[in-house]
Amino acid sequence: RKEVEQDPGPFNVPEGATVAFNCTYSNSASQSFFWYRQDCRKEPKLLMSVYSSGNEDGRFTAQLNRASQYISLLIRDSKLSDSATYLCVVIITNSGYALNFGKGTSLLVTP
Amino acid sequence: DADVTQTPRNRITKTGKRIMLECSQTKGHDRMYWYRQDPGLGLRLIYYSFDVKDINKGEISDGYSVSRQAQAKFSLSLESAIPNQTALYFCATSDFGSSYNEQFFGPGTRLTVL
Repeated sequence: RKEVEQDPGPFNVPEGATVAFNCTYSNSASQSFFWYRQDCRKEPKLLMSVYSSGNEDGRFTAQLNRASQYISLLIRDSKLSDSATYLCVVIITNSGYALNFGKGTSLLVTP
Repeated sequence: DADVTQTPRNRITKTGKRIMLECSQTKGHDRMYWYRQDPGLGLRLIYYSFDVKDINKGEISDGYSVSRQAQAKFSLSLESAIPNQTALYFCATSDFGSSYNEQFFGPGTRLTVL
């Protein structure tokens, strides 16, 4: 079983829509949580870290539920430029701070 | 100039050939990583290094070796390439002192083994 599981996608939404991505992780020793964004054929880039108290960055809101081992990303008022693959990422204690990636969820925002 | 660079950006090679992928960084980070990305499998860790004298295996190290020649350079070698090593390879760096554990990725090397 993979450490990090994400919604399979793809998600096709119209501009202005709100879309939510979910992610679960299997290792309770997971210590840090992130969402990365990857554009087609490009390198992943950090979108935001995820904290237990939840955090917001503009149109993006991330939530972490440690008891359920569940992470979410909410995107409000979707823009065409939000089209990308969103990667749920977890760091497990004593793993050398290496990132454990979900397979990613593809988002396409259409006019 | 890019902070994390990879060479070559694209490479086509034949089964059995030895190939080296290079990664250099100007961020001054201690930690460096090699990942590969395959369609449908996501990114997986091959090797990582905390400093010049430190090398650690990742999830899928078989068939690969690495060399940390300097703090700024981390090379990945395929001693005898095979077709299932065809993938997109990413180098990444992170800062020991960072509380965010953010990793910065190079642009990737697309490797095709025929």
